[in-house]
Amino acid sequence: QKEVEQNSGPLSVPEGAIASLNCTYSDRGSQSFFWYRQYSGKSPELIMSIYSNGDKEDGRFTAQLNKASQYVSLLIRDSQPSDSATYLCAVRGGYSGGGADGLTFGKGTHLIIQP
Amino acid sequence: GAVVSQHPSWVICKSGTSVKIECRSLDFQATTMFWYRQFPKQSLMLMATSNEGSKATYEQGVEKDKFLINHASLTLSTLTVTSAHPEDSSFYICSAREAGGRSDTQYFGPGTRLTVL
Repeated sequence: QKEVEQNSGPLSVPEGAIASLNCTYSDRGSQSFFWYRQYSGKSPELIMSIYSNGDKEDGRFTAQLNKASQYVSLLIRDSQPSDSATYLCAVRGGYSGGGADGLTFGKGTHLIIQP
Repeated sequence: GAVVSQHPSWVICKSGTSVKIECRSLDFQATTMFWYRQFPKQSLMLMATSNEGSKATYEQGVEKDKFLINHASLTLSTLTVTSAHPEDSSFYICSAREAGGRSDTQYFGPGTRLTVL
């Protein structure tokens, strides 16, 4: 069974600093990796996707993937109070049976940006 | 672009009744739609994968006779919770993947909060 692990937090970061969110996954065959942001009571919204080892940057966000270590991270530069939310790591694909197309989510990290 | 809607946004029903939730892709065609469930302070759990014109694939532990899924068109999938009970109270969220697109990105609907009394 696929597992995606995240530190639940809360992770408290001062405004303007870099927030670093981490995620590990169990299925070595996983192919696609996503970071979603979820505000309380709302559905997830996509921040970034990453498919290859290395870094991928999009504005203030950088996703990092290391398939050998089965590790994905998200860096948020110049953190803003509006970035306060729960960040979900999601993984698609792999060797585990069932739901190969669906996403397996971690429980999320609650991020608080302190003004 | 890539907007997914759900209806209703919330519903309260009595135990034993059935509830239908609609998921629509508004500006794209979706060959595949997914249904997730999220309990309070938990993460999203995939319930089933719905392919247009074929039977849904359910995840282990999800009762297919209780959660009926119909994906009759490329823009609409429905989830019917039959004989709902209080333990079915949850946040149900659908997502859709664009047909023929090279990306496997899933776009999520706003969710439906179900409360069973």
